[in-house]
Amino acid sequence: NFMLTQPHSVSESPGKTVTISCTGSSGSIASNYVQWYQQRPGSAPTTVIYEDNQRPSGVPDRFSGSIDSSSNSASLTISGLKTEDEADYYCQSYDSSNQGVFGGGTKLTVL
Amino acid sequence: QVQLVQSGAEVKKPGASVKVSCKASGYTFTSYGISWVRQAPGQGLEWMGWISAYNGNTNYAQKLQGRVTMTTDTSTSTAYMELRSLRSDDTAVYYCARDSLGIIDYWGQGTLVTVSS
Repeated sequence: NFMLTQPHSVSESPGKTVTISCTGSSGSIASNYVQWYQQRPGSAPTTVIYEDNQRPSGVPDRFSGSIDSSSNSASLTISGLKTEDEADYYCQSYDSSNQGVFGGGTKLTVL
Repeated sequence: QVQLVQSGAEVKKPGASVKVSCKASGYTFTSYGISWVRQAPGQGLEWMGWISAYNGNTNYAQKLQGRVTMTTDTSTSTAYMELRSLRSDDTAVYYCARDSLGIIDYWGQGTLVTVSS
């Protein structure tokens, strides 16, 4: 079964840049688009990146996404960190049977 | 503006069924699909499946096949997710989300379903 693996947690200081990885277990992660969702405590998720590197309107350009085929991974990079960025972040894609797959989530702490 | 408004919290006994609704507004309902995602307490997100609001085609998560049914009512722009034979590990917040060719962009507020005897 296709799986997406994320680090359990990351932390960084305000103003700095952090990158969250999402590694595919098999096949090519580039075969299907990767999305990234932000979920603040007690709230529904919101979409911060879709189609690997596209930002929905209203998402600041401090958020960016990329794909690295050599490591079979996707990455979410947040620059100029703000305390409001503290949240759980999930990557998501599809397997070869068109079944949706989420990564386990990464807790971002901004301290 | 796009809104997805879900029905209220439910408490069910093991073995029962639950049906969660998701009323869409602010866009042409039949131009998109609806995905359903759930989140058990303190856990991550789990993809449950997808339905096309255009033609009713569905794609369910393999682990839920036979227990879940997703439907839409285009006359009211409402999507429904029914889960049967509920177990304690079905206790979760259930989210609907607007889906365009696999891209989720808007989410509902979530519906807590508690399964307890």
